[in-house]
Amino acid sequence: KQEVTQIPAALSVPEGENLVLNCSFTDSAIYNLQWFRQDPGKGLTSLLLIQSSQREQTSGRLNASLDKSSGRSTLYIAASQPGDSATYLCAVLGNQFYFGTGTSLTVIP
Amino acid sequence: GAGVSQSPSNKVTEKGKDVELRCDPISGHTALYWYRQSLGQGLEFLIYFQGNSAPDKSGLPSDRFSAERTGGSVSTLTIQRTQQEDSAVYLCASSLRGTSGIVYEQFFGPGTRLTVL
Repeated sequence: KQEVTQIPAALSVPEGENLVLNCSFTDSAIYNLQWFRQDPGKGLTSLLLIQSSQREQTSGRLNASLDKSSGRSTLYIAASQPGDSATYLCAVLGNQFYFGTGTSLTVIP
Repeated sequence: GAGVSQSPSNKVTEKGKDVELRCDPISGHTALYWYRQSLGQGLEFLIYFQGNSAPDKSGLPSDRFSAERTGGSVSTLTIQRTQQEDSAVYLCASSLRGTSGIVYEQFFGPGTRLTVL
């Protein structure tokens, strides 16, 4: 069974810092990987989707990379802002979607 | 509407009662997913509908859980004889899914917070 791990579980950084969130998965046979953010008491908001044939995707200050062979993805956030504070989840699609437990990010003004 | 909607947003019920949760996916999305998120836990896949194919029910935790999708659009998740451990946020998502196997991004609804007393 696919297992998705996100490290660290929680992260606190000062405003303006660049940061990297990590996602690893045990089965490289995936169709795609998707990064989400979840604000407290809210649903999930899609950030980036990387198809299995792609290496990275960029949207604004966000850049996600995918290395299928090593079972890893990173989400890079540039020039962090307090509004980036949220829980970030990665999900991989194999025969179904598998989610990590998330990284709780706090950006301190 | 433009996004995935779910109703009710909150549901409080007594142990043993049945509940129905509703999901309206984005128009035109062929794939619909139900997940459960318990406090401090990750998302747990429950069931997946794709077009007219038989649903993937592999994630349903017990036979008290069932779901249907009428007309390829609206879906209802039913929990019979609710237990306290069913308390969680139930999230619905929809996406396009190409015949070539390409899966497009999932869009989530705001969820239904279920509390079983």
